[in-house]
Amino acid sequence: QKEVEQDPGPLSVPEGAIVSLNCTYSNSAFQYFMWYRQYSRKGPELLMYTYSSGNKEDGRFTAQVDKSSKYISLFIRDSQPSDSATYLCAMSPGGYQKVTFGTGTKLQVIP
Amino acid sequence: DADVTQTPRNRITKTGKRIMLECSQTKGHDRMYWYRQDPGLGLRLIYYSFDVKDINKGEISDGYSVSRQAQAKFSLSLESAIPNQTALYFCATSDLTSGTNNEQFFGPGTRLTVL
Repeated sequence: QKEVEQDPGPLSVPEGAIVSLNCTYSNSAFQYFMWYRQYSRKGPELLMYTYSSGNKEDGRFTAQVDKSSKYISLFIRDSQPSDSATYLCAMSPGGYQKVTFGTGTKLQVIP
Repeated sequence: DADVTQTPRNRITKTGKRIMLECSQTKGHDRMYWYRQDPGLGLRLIYYSFDVKDINKGEISDGYSVSRQAQAKFSLSLESAIPNQTALYFCATSDLTSGTNNEQFFGPGTRLTVL
């Protein structure tokens, strides 16, 4: 079993839809939870960052962490064609520990 | 100007050839990483370095070697390339003192094809 599981998609939604992206994990030591966005032919870039459990909102994006269920989510409201990308979850115990990435979910928002 | 640069951006080579991928950064970060990305497998860590004198193996280091020539430069070598090393390679940097602990900044990637 992988430490981090992520549905690869692809996920196709109409413009304006609410998108839900999810990851599950098995390592209870993870404390830092991140979502990266990767456009085609580009490197990943950090989109959202959360420490421990709870919610974090940034514009149309909301990240949720439920450590009791070992489950994290990224919600995108009013999705736009420019949101079309691959979204990778990532997590780490922190400090000198390495970051473990999910395999990524490819999202396409159709105008 | 890009903070993390990788050269070359694309490379086609033949089985058995030695290949070097180079990474440079202007972010002043101590930590540097090499990943490979494959469809369905995501990003997998090859090697990482926390400073010039520190080199560590990642989860898939076999067949690869690295050199940290300076704080800003981290090179990845394939001593004898094989077809299953065909992948997208990313260099990344991070800084423990940054507010978002463990945030990594990625380069644009090198697409390597081994025939």
